[in-house]
Amino acid sequence: GQQLNQSPQSMFIQEGEDVSMNCTSSSIFNTWLWYKQDPGEGPVLLIALYKAGELTSNGRLTAQFGITRKDSFLNISASIPSDVGIYFCAGSQVLQGAQKLVFGQGTRLTINP
Amino acid sequence: ETGVTQSPTHLIKTRGQQVTLRCSSQSGHNTVSWYQQALGQGPQFIFQYYREEENGRGNFPPRFSGLQFPNYSSELNVNALELDDSALYLCASSLRDRSAGELFFGEGSRLTVL
Repeated sequence: GQQLNQSPQSMFIQEGEDVSMNCTSSSIFNTWLWYKQDPGEGPVLLIALYKAGELTSNGRLTAQFGITRKDSFLNISASIPSDVGIYFCAGSQVLQGAQKLVFGQGTRLTINP
Repeated sequence: ETGVTQSPTHLIKTRGQQVTLRCSSQSGHNTVSWYQQALGQGPQFIFQYYREEENGRGNFPPRFSGLQFPNYSSELNVNALELDDSALYLCASSLRDRSAGELFFGEGSRLTVL
C-alpha cells in the first residue's frame, strides 16, 4: 500500500546531540503529523502541521511542512535519554469520507549516555 | 480526561479462530479508527467508524469487520485468523470535523496467531 519514505531508518547518537529526520511522499497531503512510539505503547502525537511551509515547535521539537506538501522534517535539539523511541511521520488524507493516516516506516532513535 | 483504552492487551490464537478486540474512545471523541501495525512497520489503516457506521476501509479483506456503539466505543473482529494477522492492533479516536488527522491512539492489543 501507499507509504511515506522516512529516513534515516535508525540513528545512534550521543546525549545532547541534535537530531534530524525527514519524510517524503509521491502524494500530496493536507496535514502532516509526527508521532513517537515507545515499546509496548501506542503512538503519541508530537506535532501536527496544517499549512505548506508551516514551521512549528513543541519544546525541543521543531517540524516543518514542505512547500510542495510532499515532505516534512522533524528536528530534536539537545537530545535526552527519554527521547529514545521510534518516530513516525504520517500524512492525512480522506478516503471514502474517512480521515486516514498514511505512516512512514519509522526512525528508531537510540541515545548513548 | 480519559484516554483511549483497549482490551485485551495481549492474546494468542490459532489459525482459523476468530478474535474480538475492544476499544473505548477518548472522552468527547465520536470517531474511532483501527490500525494494524506489523513488527517493524508503521501502522496501516483498517477502517474508521462514525455514527455507528463504517466510513472508509483500507486494503483489508471482509473478514476484518467492526462495530461502533452509541457510546462511541468500538470492536474489531477478525474471522478465520491467518498467521500474517499477528500484529499490534491500534485503536485511535478523534473528533470528526475537527482539525484534520489528529488521532489519539490507545496502547494496542498484541495478537499472536500460531
